[in-house]
Amino acid sequence: EVQLVQSGAEVKKPGESLKISCKGSGYSFTSYWIGWVRQMPGKGLEWMGIIYPGDSDTRYSPSFQGQVTISADKSISTAYLQWSSLKASDTAMYYCARLGRDGYNLGPFDYWGQGTLVTVSS
Amino acid sequence: DIQMTQSPSTLSASVGDRVTITCRASQSISSWLAWYQQKPGKAPKLLIYDASSLESGVPSRFSGSGSGTEFTLTISSLQPDDFATYYCQQYNSYQLTFGGGTKVEIK
Repeated sequence: EVQLVQSGAEVKKPGESLKISCKGSGYSFTSYWIGWVRQMPGKGLEWMGIIYPGDSDTRYSPSFQGQVTISADKSISTAYLQWSSLKASDTAMYYCARLGRDGYNLGPFDYWGQGTLVTVSS
Repeated sequence: DIQMTQSPSTLSASVGDRVTITCRASQSISSWLAWYQQKPGKAPKLLIYDASSLESGVPSRFSGSGSGTEFTLTISSLQPDDFATYYCQQYNSYQLTFGGGTKVEIK
């Protein structure tokens, strides 16, 4: 069974750093793109970026380029989303999801993590 | 970047109604389009991929059509479990984008 399990909710102060995780299981982690999606409170879905764990090729949305870092550790089948200096506007639910085509092919997000709620407040 | 525009943003309907949601792409995306359903507090769920292919386990009352720049999601007979927000998403390029969402409410 394919599963993506995300790390737990975080409460941080502005200016702090943060790294959240997404652990994949039940499939070949290195063979499928993993993406990150932001959902601000009461708002829609925003694609942030994707990473191919097989070679760590990473693509970012222009809206998030330079604001976050996406990485992966294929030895433990885990993808990460990282901030170096959080802002209050980073408060949101963050989902990881798998692109459902193997190899370098794009596809729909077929499996999703449960989400990680990040709250940034002084 | 490819922009995805959904309409309407909100839709009020009754159980049993036929519901249609439209998604327009700012340039051609062939058939590289997916539809998702999201309920409050839950992760999105894939309904339709490649514009018209039904994801396994999704009820057959959901269907998708279109190609190029115009796409539709149709629910043939709205059920109580279908009241949710629906999103389209293109995967024509490595710059993926979602539509703004359509909230289907009870009339």
